[in-house]
Amino acid sequence: DADVTQTPRNRITKTGKRIMLECSQTKGHDRMYWYRQDPGLGLRLIYYSFDVKDINKGEISDGYSVSRQAQAKFSLSLESAIPNQTALYFCATSDLRASGRIDEQFFGPGTRLTVL
Amino acid sequence: KQEVTQIPAALSVPEGENLVLNCSFTDSAIYNLQWFRQDPGKGLTSLLLIQSSQREQTSGRLNASLDKSSGRSTLYIAASQPGDSATYLCAVAAGGTSYGKLTFGQGTILTVHP
Repeated sequence: DADVTQTPRNRITKTGKRIMLECSQTKGHDRMYWYRQDPGLGLRLIYYSFDVKDINKGEISDGYSVSRQAQAKFSLSLESAIPNQTALYFCATSDLRASGRIDEQFFGPGTRLTVL
Repeated sequence: KQEVTQIPAALSVPEGENLVLNCSFTDSAIYNLQWFRQDPGKGLTSLLLIQSSQREQTSGRLNASLDKSSGRSTLYIAASQPGDSATYLCAVAAGGTSYGKLTFGQGTILTVHP
């Protein structure tokens, strides 16, 4: 079954460490997204990519960077993690070309990141 | 800047009841609107997507409506079941130069008790 996977699923790290969260998809979608979810603030867009050569900042990109290594892979990096980056991180994909439910976004299971 | 509000924040109902979840948005220039379900500690599952040109979508016991001009959407759940207990999120996809970007509401926590 075509899917969106995220690794790791849980991570605890210390302030100042570099962290990479990885997302892979087998849906063949061209668009990929990174969101974070915080209690009381909902989901907010960090970065998005409409194809391998197209990377765009979202609402809250400061402190984060991304890499689109291939159509199927989109990584999120925290260069120097800080405690207020503790959150649940989601990767999502979509495909404008899909018939019917145009540009419907499909989400991975999430990565719970704790920065001490 | 698009803002999405969901009312109520939490809802507790007995099994079998029909219920309505509300979503409002401030900018009517949207591309589509999606309703998601999120179970505790889990990812989001897409329930329904309504394109900006559509008025409603149905899937099983779920029906979502969209009124772009008034900036409102409703999710109707018929004959609720305990398995429907989850957080329901509404998200609006921007049009224009922000094409495709989703703005989420904060969700409605639904509890259906037997």
